[in-house]
Amino acid sequence: DIVMTQSPLSSPVTLGQPASFSCRSSESLVFNDGNTYLSWLQVRPGQPPRLLIYKISNRFFGVPDRFSGSGSGTDFTLKIAGVEAEDVGIYYCMQASHFPYTFGQGTKLEI
Amino acid sequence: EVQLVESGGGVVRPGGSLRLSCVASGFTFEDFGMSWVRQVPGKGLEWVSGIHGKSGATGYAASVVGRFIISRDNAKNSLYLQMNSLRVEDTAFYHCARGDAGEFWGRGTLVTVSS
Repeated sequence: DIVMTQSPLSSPVTLGQPASFSCRSSESLVFNDGNTYLSWLQVRPGQPPRLLIYKISNRFFGVPDRFSGSGSGTDFTLKIAGVEAEDVGIYYCMQASHFPYTFGQGTKLEI
Repeated sequence: EVQLVESGGGVVRPGGSLRLSCVASGFTFEDFGMSWVRQVPGKGLEWVSGIHGKSGATGYAASVVGRFIISRDNAKNSLYLQMNSLRVEDTAFYHCARGDAGEFWGRGTLVTVSS
């Protein structure tokens, strides 16, 4: 199974300041169709997960442009350009290039 | 509007079985892969099982292989998870999710395994 490792596990930030989360996979996430199925999801208390970024760097519908994703191969990053209060939650990376799909352990964003 | 509504959760004794259902609406169900993901309150997300839309290929987490079976009925826009030989550690909220990226999620159904 592919192991997804996120860092840091907790990220205290000040409102308006940037935040950056790292995700590393134990092997390449490039699928045989050439795509890399790496997503970032946000979980707020009491709510189901919400997709932010898919295929490394594509923002999902309605996601503010302060969220951006980058990376390739086995190293990926989610950045928030300027943290807002509503961004509090836990951020997960997920790979869907190879069964079984796997999540990272999550990074908790705290204001 | 895309909607995913799970049902079938409940309280069951260790060794028991449950069948979860997820009814989808607002999109062409057969065109999308679907997954079951579980979450223990206060803990992380765990992908449980998935099924591709067109090929029907399935995958399972190591923790459930041989005990859980995922299936779908495209005519009924429904996804299922047959859970057998349940263990205490299977206790969680179970969400169904659309697509490889998890584009849309249901609110989940709670499964509690306890003696």
